[in-house]
Amino acid sequence: AQKVTQAQTEISVVEKEDVTLDCVYGTRDTTYYLFWYKQPPSGELVFLIRRNSFDEQNEISGRYSWNFQKSTSSFNFTITASQVVDSAVYFCALRNTGGFKTIFGAGTRLFVKA
Amino acid sequence: DVKVTQSSRYLVKRTGEKVFLECVQDMDHENMFWYRQDPGLGLRLIYFSYDVKMKEKGDIPEGYSVSREKKERFSLILESASTNQTSMYLCASSRPLAGAASSSNEKLFFGSGTQLSVL
Repeated sequence: AQKVTQAQTEISVVEKEDVTLDCVYGTRDTTYYLFWYKQPPSGELVFLIRRNSFDEQNEISGRYSWNFQKSTSSFNFTITASQVVDSAVYFCALRNTGGFKTIFGAGTRLFVKA
Repeated sequence: DVKVTQSSRYLVKRTGEKVFLECVQDMDHENMFWYRQDPGLGLRLIYFSYDVKMKEKGDIPEGYSVSREKKERFSLILESASTNQTSMYLCASSRPLAGAASSSNEKLFFGSGTQLSVL
């Protein structure tokens, strides 16, 4: 069965610190997609990144970076020089190729203090 | 600006009431989804629809039904609300990848959610 585990329930950092959000996934399929979504206090989840199982290249987008390691079934998300606006709940998610269902982790709530 | 709109941000209902949660998207998406979000459990899929009048059960369909009479609208129905259905309900939509048979790799667009309290 598919599963997404985000072991960190809450993380609190001070502004300008770097922070890494962990995501471990499980699936029997060989092809799949991984996602990260951000849910700010307004409630609406916003898409951040999608990665397919064939592409293990790390990605950087501004202060955000993602480390996909198939060998450890992990897809971790790092925010560099965090800002108060990064405070949100972050969800890691998994969807198998050919499927409609997206499986979400429990989420990690990030607090960034000024 | 593309949008998924949920009719209510907050709802308070009584046990046994019939409850309708409405969701409308303006992106002409084929796929629509209803999730519920509970602390420590993340988002769990209740139902989804990949076309008008089509519906499929998700992981926790018990106690819920859905209706998709028009492409842009997907309604979640609680036939007889119970206290364990108190939750945040999130609607989402997505489109299939052009030329592909499935929508497996398309991202989800979410509404702002409806916080339902059943007393």
